[in-house]
Amino acid sequence: GAVVSQHPSRVICKSGTSVKIECRSLDFQATTMFWYRQFPKQSLMLMATSNEGSKATYEQGVEKDKFLINHASLTLSTLTVTSAHPEDSSFYICSAGTDRSRYGYTFGSGTRLTVV
Amino acid sequence: KQEVTQIPAALSVPEGENLVLNCSFTDSAIYNLQWFRQDPGKGLTSLLLIQSSQREQTSGRLNASLDKSSGRSTLYIAASQPGDSATYLCAGYKAAGNKLTFGGGTRVLVKP
Repeated sequence: GAVVSQHPSRVICKSGTSVKIECRSLDFQATTMFWYRQFPKQSLMLMATSNEGSKATYEQGVEKDKFLINHASLTLSTLTVTSAHPEDSSFYICSAGTDRSRYGYTFGSGTRLTVV
Repeated sequence: KQEVTQIPAALSVPEGENLVLNCSFTDSAIYNLQWFRQDPGKGLTSLLLIQSSQREQTSGRLNASLDKSSGRSTLYIAASQPGDSATYLCAGYKAAGNKLTFGGGTRVLVKP
């Protein structure tokens, strides 16, 4: 079945630094990748949609200069949290799919970001 | 704008009882609906995917139905086990706008 690898699973960084999270589709080409943020005991909040080779589409209220998304290839998308602050601490999850989600979307295992 | 709601938010049942989880959506023009399971601190595991042209999907003890006209999907888990304890999320995909919209989830606890 489709597999999405997300790395790292956990990261602790200091305020003001930047952190990059990778999302890879291992056995299929992902035309679309989604990035979500999840707060404790809450559902997933869509941050942005990235399509290979084009700029990401950000949801309302999500700062694109804060959360940089790059979808450079059909198997890799990255989310960079720039100048991280404690309020950016959260669980970030990516998902990948193809052709209008014909086969559904596969999710990565998530990244727990803690900014100290 | 698509809105997806899951009721109840939390559910506790004794082992062996059947589980019924509800998902409702406001926009019937969905392309498909997907049910996921999430364990604490983990990512999402896809359970069942129902295309808009389908009425139900089954996998082992799991069965999911879809009624687009009423904007509802139901996930049934037969003969629940403690290992079924997790949060279950439904998500509707709409091709227009290319968005996967999630419900708030139902936290399930199956007591031994």
